[in-house]
Amino acid sequence: GEDVEQSLFLSVREGDSSVINCTYTDSSSTYLYWYKQEPGAGLQLLTYIFSNMDMKQDQRLTVLLNKKDKHLSLRIADTQTGDSAIYFCAEFPRDISSGSARQLTFGSGTQLTVLP
Amino acid sequence: DSGVTQTPKHLITATGQRVTLRCSPRSGDLSVYWYQQSLDQGLQFLIHYYNGEERAKGNILERFSAQQFPDLHSELNLSSLELGDSALYFCASSVEVRSPFQFSSYTFGSGTRLTVV
Repeated sequence: GEDVEQSLFLSVREGDSSVINCTYTDSSSTYLYWYKQEPGAGLQLLTYIFSNMDMKQDQRLTVLLNKKDKHLSLRIADTQTGDSAIYFCAEFPRDISSGSARQLTFGSGTQLTVLP
Repeated sequence: DSGVTQTPKHLITATGQRVTLRCSPRSGDLSVYWYQQSLDQGLQFLIHYYNGEERAKGNILERFSAQQFPDLHSELNLSSLELGDSALYFCASSVEVRSPFQFSSYTFGSGTRLTVV
């Protein structure tokens, strides 16, 4: 079955880089996602990567994908206190035979704490 | 504002009671998904509706049910509530995904925090 795994906590100093890791199990996922949840708020899409890419960069965010190891990572450069939040990786497995999508499956989330 | 509206934001109720959570999807989205977020279980998929029809069920208890109405809003009904049902309940919406290669993501509401006492 689908199982997305993430470490639960990460603390970094302001200005340092943060790296949040994720492993997923379903190779049929054509897209992999990072969502951010701030306190008291819902999840918002941060970035995503298509499965035929190895890397995607978007300003301070870098997503790396290793399909062989089913490993996804999110690097946040120059981490700020406003980046403190829970970060979820998610996969969107597809039913290969029908082409229809199943539902987004989330990891447990990584609580990022940025220390001043 | 994400465009997905959930009401109420907070709900406190007693064990054994029944509650209804409401979700209005983003304009143009036909799919509605319900997720439960609890401290020990993470974010668990409950159920998916598309244009009024149930499409997929996840880890939804028999005490829970949902429906999507013709105006596309959805309701999640939780009955015979137990202490362990205390959680954040999220609704998300999306467009229909027609191809495995079509990009799609979910837009989440801000959630309903349910506390069962």
